[in-house]
Amino acid sequence: KAGVTQTPRYLIKTRGQQVTLSCSPISGHRSVSWYQQTPGQGLQFLFEYFSETQRNKGNFPGRFSGRQFSNSRSEMNVSTLELGDSALYLCASKTLAVQETQYFGPGTRLLVL
Amino acid sequence: DAKTTQPPSMDCAEGRAANLPCNHSTISGNEYVYWYRQIHSQGPQYIIHGLKNNETNEMASLIITEDRKSSTLILPHATLRDTAVYYCIVRVGGDSNYQLIWGAGTKLIIKP
Repeated sequence: KAGVTQTPRYLIKTRGQQVTLSCSPISGHRSVSWYQQTPGQGLQFLFEYFSETQRNKGNFPGRFSGRQFSNSRSEMNVSTLELGDSALYLCASKTLAVQETQYFGPGTRLLVL
Repeated sequence: DAKTTQPPSMDCAEGRAANLPCNHSTISGNEYVYWYRQIHSQGPQYIIHGLKNNETNEMASLIITEDRKSSTLILPHATLRDTAVYYCIVRVGGDSNYQLIWGAGTKLIIKP
């Protein structure tokens, strides 16, 4: 079975731009979560989608948004990029909403200049 | 705010057992403890989780103290490929509204 895939793997943007990251979960997984990882703050939960509905949300500003499609693929969008948004963005999928064994993708490394 | 405290780094000799401690003194009765690890440049990998009983799987053992204020992850025979950052995590909230609160992690270096 293919693992969680994320595209693109690396991205460079400038302040004020917006960016869209994509995540394809493991086949059959309906829950997709997004995390931001930075050296200073560590791994922080952004949001989770299950069956196309946002089920849980972390403490991030409204510039961070996401969505999930009927095939469980998910995208996250960051608008009006700031330097502090430079981070590794990780996507994780799992089969059932309340089951906690998440499988992570390799991440998208975003650099904001 | 993080609910777990871990040493920032540890060394272990190859072939020996690696014991990684985690303090979670404010954990509530229904909050699970999870362990993940992250090898450089990869996404985190699930290892094990538990509530109050000790748990074992093919990767590791998890020992949770009776008062649940701390736990230890044990890698029984560490190999060089076990070099990674190990995260102790607490799941907070109920089944329908929860978050995984990640700690800062322990960088485990396995030495030949």
